[in-house]
Amino acid sequence: GAVVSQHPSRVICKSGTSVKIECRSLDFQATTMFWYRQFPKQSLMLMATSNEGSKATYEQGVEKDKFLINHASLTLSTLTVTSAHPEDSSFYICSASVASGGGDLSTDTQYFGPGTRLTVL
Amino acid sequence: AQSVAQPEDQVNVAEGNPLTVKCTYSVSGNPYLFWYVQYPNRGLQFLLKYITGDNLVKGSYGFEAEFNKSQTSFHLKKPSALVSDSALYFCAVRAPYSGAGSYQLTFGKGTKLSVIP
Repeated sequence: GAVVSQHPSRVICKSGTSVKIECRSLDFQATTMFWYRQFPKQSLMLMATSNEGSKATYEQGVEKDKFLINHASLTLSTLTVTSAHPEDSSFYICSASVASGGGDLSTDTQYFGPGTRLTVL
Repeated sequence: AQSVAQPEDQVNVAEGNPLTVKCTYSVSGNPYLFWYVQYPNRGLQFLLKYITGDNLVKGSYGFEAEFNKSQTSFHLKKPSALVSDSALYFCAVRAPYSGAGSYQLTFGKGTKLSVIP
């Protein structure tokens, strides 16, 4: 249980293009999904928190118009990096918290996806 | 504000020896504490957590952690290290749920564990 997938796992794009990353909870419903960014040899930096059906809450310093987050269902959240530039190159990781009534899965725990490596040329 | 400190960037241990990865925290209220492991170019895998109850928590792959309230610590331990345990380990904390945003985890900077054959 508690499997979170991300697609794509790796993407290379040209500067100025937009890239969409999907995060899916495969075997549970996620009340809340989180998007993190990780630079090489560094910790995770929380970018935003999204709840199904409502607008995402962005952390200070994260441009909401550049990093568009949509959480359309209890199993899917998407992060779109708009007009990507080389400085947006990073490892993007999502996580999901279980909705109440998720069986053996804990509502207290975030379950992480495998990450998406974005390289902007 | 909540914070996590992992004082060691790297820990080296010989295979078969016990290992400890240190973590201290600061949070308002009773802490929710987590350990995650990350292998290269992968996401984080949940190892164990402390919410309440016994101070010694057992988790996946033979790992355990001890919650020490007076020292505000939550060190990760394993009695006998394996080469396959070599990875990056993150300690994380959050406060008890108190409204929007309180599910947010704050991570330490990570500790690279190298188990030497």
